[in-house]
Amino acid sequence: DQQVKQNSPSLSVQEGRISILNCDYTNSMFDYFLWYKKYPAEGPTFLISISSIKDKNEDGRFTVFLNKSAKHLSLHIVPSQPGDSAVYFCAAASGNTPLVFGKGTRLSVIA
Amino acid sequence: DAGVIQSPRHEVTEMGQEVTLRCKPISGHDYLFWYRQTMMRGLELLIYFNNNVPIDDSGMPEDRFSAKMPNASFSTLKIQPSEPRDSAVYFCASSFNPIYGYTFGSGTRLTVV
Repeated sequence: DQQVKQNSPSLSVQEGRISILNCDYTNSMFDYFLWYKKYPAEGPTFLISISSIKDKNEDGRFTVFLNKSAKHLSLHIVPSQPGDSAVYFCAAASGNTPLVFGKGTRLSVIA
Repeated sequence: DAGVIQSPRHEVTEMGQEVTLRCKPISGHDYLFWYRQTMMRGLELLIYFNNNVPIDDSGMPEDRFSAKMPNASFSTLKIQPSEPRDSAVYFCASSFNPIYGYTFGSGTRLTVV
């Protein structure tokens, strides 16, 4: 009964191309969504977020899109760089409740 | 600020032994979270505290797990007795407001043999 699902365990992309990481959620009460990035032997670090009143948020090479009707969000990285290779976690919350995380997607950017 | 500090970074122990994981949150953060990462379940919340008070421990897998926060700058997660299935990476995170995200520690990799 995972409330936040990342159905692709891994993704490989060539350097310079677009990386698209997807996330689905089931709880319609979620009103805040975040992406975290995790390198090996380190803790996850915050990357970008979006609230449910928006459908897009952009920060440099990173853009998050939210489709509330489909309960779907995606993270676009353009252009992808080798340093982007990491595990990306999607997370969601409502009010002050703790973040619920997906299982993560391992992104490999190939030079 | 040095961020969220966890110790030890690695712990290898024998089945049946007691294990204690430690966390020092960022000063001023009122929320502290313990997560466990496994391949099967991803990042799952074990327990969280607000102002040193446990708010929700429904994620704690069994009575073998316990957590305390005796003051605003220290928390422990204890497993007694440990079992091989407890092997995972345990993360501590802190936040001043959960909706704005957390700062995670580097984690403790626990191996129970």
